[in-house]
Amino acid sequence: SQQGEEDPQALSIQEGENATMNCSYKTSINNLQWYRQNSGRGLVHLILIRSNEREKHSGRLRVTLDTSKKSSSLLITASRAADTASYFCATDAGANDYKLSFGAGTTVTVRA
Amino acid sequence: KAGVTQTPRYLIKTRGQQVTLSCSPISGHRSVSWYQQTPGQGLQFLFEYFSETQRNKGNFPGRFSGRQFSNSRSEMNVSTLELGDSALYLCASSLEWGGPSNNEQFFGPGTRLTVL
Repeated sequence: SQQGEEDPQALSIQEGENATMNCSYKTSINNLQWYRQNSGRGLVHLILIRSNEREKHSGRLRVTLDTSKKSSSLLITASRAADTASYFCATDAGANDYKLSFGAGTTVTVRA
Repeated sequence: KAGVTQTPRYLIKTRGQQVTLSCSPISGHRSVSWYQQTPGQGLQFLFEYFSETQRNKGNFPGRFSGRQFSNSRSEMNVSTLELGDSALYLCASSLEWGGPSNNEQFFGPGTRLTVL
């Protein structure tokens, strides 16, 4: 079963706009990761955030983590056509369980 | 550095057959994980190998097995193929000891398996 669930399932935005997607998970975690998948580059790692961190940035990406709510968000600012992809959050199940469980993903379409 | 490579890229098999997929990790990476991706179930973790030992395992039947060689290259095998095994099989490698959830995973392009 999937640990994380992304919301919304799909998102369509205009180039230059921001895109926000959320991930909720069920059990305590050690870390949470975000990945992007498109047909051209396959599955690519974006950010890893540890359970004791609240926010991380990487370029135009901002990830927050709220362990009390068991949720994370990914913000893409000033979106580009190349950001069109599916975005997945991936978590472990905490403690000594380090295998990754992926959510179903959010499909983002950036319109020119 | 070359990325993660997987062979073959495409494979067509019939029910009941078995298949072996191969993954070569990024040079220096010792952890290799395998995932199955289908439209219905999404991305699911199969297993992870580190230093030739299976360290983590997902919830798949025993028909799915794997191994890792001393050069960190890995293979996965699926025996007695079923129609539901049709999927994209992805391999990922990472550098550090701490397991897939502790480290950035570098994914290969995948092997598309079709079972007829």
